[in-house]
Amino acid sequence: DQQVKQNSPSLSVQEGRISILNCDYTNSMFDYFLWYKKYPAEGPTFLISISSIKDKNEDGRFTVFLNKSAKHLSLHIVPSQPGDSAVYFCAASITGNQFYFGTGTSLTVIP
Amino acid sequence: NAGVTQTPKFQVLKTGQSMTLQCAQDMNHEYMSWYRQDPGMGLRLIHYSVGAGITDQGEVPNGYNVSRSTTEDFPLRLLSAAPSQTSVYFCASSSQGGNTIYFGEGSWLTVV
Repeated sequence: DQQVKQNSPSLSVQEGRISILNCDYTNSMFDYFLWYKKYPAEGPTFLISISSIKDKNEDGRFTVFLNKSAKHLSLHIVPSQPGDSAVYFCAASITGNQFYFGTGTSLTVIP
Repeated sequence: NAGVTQTPKFQVLKTGQSMTLQCAQDMNHEYMSWYRQDPGMGLRLIHYSVGAGITDQGEVPNGYNVSRSTTEDFPLRLLSAAPSQTSVYFCASSSQGGNTIYFGEGSWLTVV
């Protein structure tokens, strides 16, 4: 049973606008959440993370929001750029050991 | 700056053949894992290891074998390849409780 879910397989956004990628999880034991970015023919690369004791973490154009009561996190990219076009995976872990990944959302930023 | 290195990058196997995907990391990470990526399925954990001599099963372990004789290496063995094992395989590592997992570049496997 999928413990981390990304219900939107794809998303298209105009350049300069905001991209919002969503992720839901079921296991309340998860204490760390991550977003990874993946280009074709490459391995996933770490983008941004958030601890369960926080509700927001920001790094440049990327912000992750965590809503523990709803078991929901989101990644905001502002402004979106064509180079952001990639597959984004949400992940969750318990004490930094096993990492569970979502199914990914393919983001296309239209110039 | 090698990080996580996987070989081979591409492989075609016939049904029933066996092979080993190699994975090595140079970051002295305790935790290593193997994932497979399939369309619509995301990254699914096959096997993982929390240190030399310790391995455990993930979500989709059937048809795969692993061992961890050193901290650096974590090979994945396909015992008798099946078309359902056609996939992209990623090796990953992290420090114990490090909260960030690092991936190799992937191995594309086709079983015909």
